[in-house]
Amino acid sequence: NAGVTQTPKFQVLKTGQSMTLQCAQDMNHNSMYWYRQDPGMGLRLIYYSASEGTTDKGEVPNGYNVSRLNKREFSLRLESAAPSQTSVYFCASSGRIYSGNTIYFGEGSWLTVV
Amino acid sequence: DQQVKQNSPSLSVQEGRISILNCDYTNSMFDYFLWYKKYPAEGPTFLISISSIKDKNEDGRFTVFLNKSAKHLSLHIVPSQPGDSAVYFCAASGPRGRGGADGLTFGKGTHLIIQP
Repeated sequence: NAGVTQTPKFQVLKTGQSMTLQCAQDMNHNSMYWYRQDPGMGLRLIYYSASEGTTDKGEVPNGYNVSRLNKREFSLRLESAAPSQTSVYFCASSGRIYSGNTIYFGEGSWLTVV
Repeated sequence: DQQVKQNSPSLSVQEGRISILNCDYTNSMFDYFLWYKKYPAEGPTFLISISSIKDKNEDGRFTVFLNKSAKHLSLHIVPSQPGDSAVYFCAASGPRGRGGADGLTFGKGTHLIIQP
């Protein structure tokens, strides 16, 4: 049972480069999320998609774009990477926002921008 | 403006004793609370949750208590085991059906260390 799968696991980028983090879930969930985790900051929501075809900004959306490609896939794009975007990124999904269902996380993507 | 606060960055407990992790929140519209556990180099995993209509939820060694008037919840682990050593995140979500849904709001986490 794969759950939430995200790629790549590790990536080093130079400042100004672009890249896309891929995420897929096989739980038939409607809602998907991208979080970042920084030391001493907990998990902060970047973008979310309540359902296929919709996306909305979270707490820290600047410097990112997202695409909900279909029900299974939700990608996060850094158009021009900055050192401040060095972080661990987690994709997550849930049955419905605010349904009381839990959010399930992927294993994380470690991104370093030099 | 931190809506979910975990004021203890770390906690050390002896194996076999009770671990109590605390969490405070400021948004009275939160109606569902969760605890996640995270090991290094892994994603957070769901541990236990509680709805705002309850004041206690128990699952094996884990019990979550909710005090709505104090806007406080706590996670009790009894007895504590070495495998419980991890970072624990408290999280909260808002009312159902509210427009502009924004997923979960997380605290900064508490690193629990179980001493042998």
